[in-house]
Amino acid sequence: DEQLVESGGGLVQPGRSLRLSCTTSGFTFGDYAMSWVRQAPGKGLEWVGFIRSKAYGGRTEYAASVEGRFTISRDDSKSIAYLQMNSLKTEDTAVYYCTRVYIEVMTAVSFYLDYWGQGTPVAVSS
Amino acid sequence: QSVLTQPPSASGTPGQRVTISCSGGSFDIGSNAVNWYQRLPGTAPRLLIYDNNQRPSGVPDRFSGSKSGTSASLAISGLLADDEADYYCATWHDILNGYVFGTGTKVTVL
Repeated sequence: DEQLVESGGGLVQPGRSLRLSCTTSGFTFGDYAMSWVRQAPGKGLEWVGFIRSKAYGGRTEYAASVEGRFTISRDDSKSIAYLQMNSLKTEDTAVYYCTRVYIEVMTAVSFYLDYWGQGTPVAVSS
Repeated sequence: QSVLTQPPSASGTPGQRVTISCSGGSFDIGSNAVNWYQRLPGTAPRLLIYDNNQRPSGVPDRFSGSKSGTSASLAISGLLADDEADYYCATWHDILNGYVFGTGTKVTVL
């Protein structure tokens, strides 16, 4: 069974940094793109960004709200994806979910998040 | 602010059919496949529909998706109390070069 487990969340002051980890099992991690999604209290789902598999250069894409502050990386040898969050703001307070991505690009883009972790909470407050 | 618009709420009695709309534009729904996610209270979201109308294994056929032009819909037939949840549409956006979620719809079973 595919499993994704997030860790590293917690309380952090504005302007500080935090790194989240997503430990996976049950599938060949290196074959898949991975993504992060967040949900702020009382708000809807917000896509944070994703990282392609090494076969596609491991390139990343980010939402405008986190571009330049957040970085997604991966360690295929450990089957772990990371979300490095710098210059944190109070509006980054949310539950952060790690997801596996299916992506296929032909005439249209087929991009969906087929497996999700349980999430890790991040609170940015002084 | 989401580029995909959903009604904030929908409701029905057990056994009824409920439909949720998702309105977008030519660079998102109009160009790419639409997916739907279900978030039950206290749980992580799960994929409900992918590629406009495909169900992952384990999703009952009471759930169905469709797409026409720049809009998509999720239908829940034979509504059950366990279907009370938040539902989100999502798709790739060609200009933003990112994945966008709808505003979300809370389904209540009366």
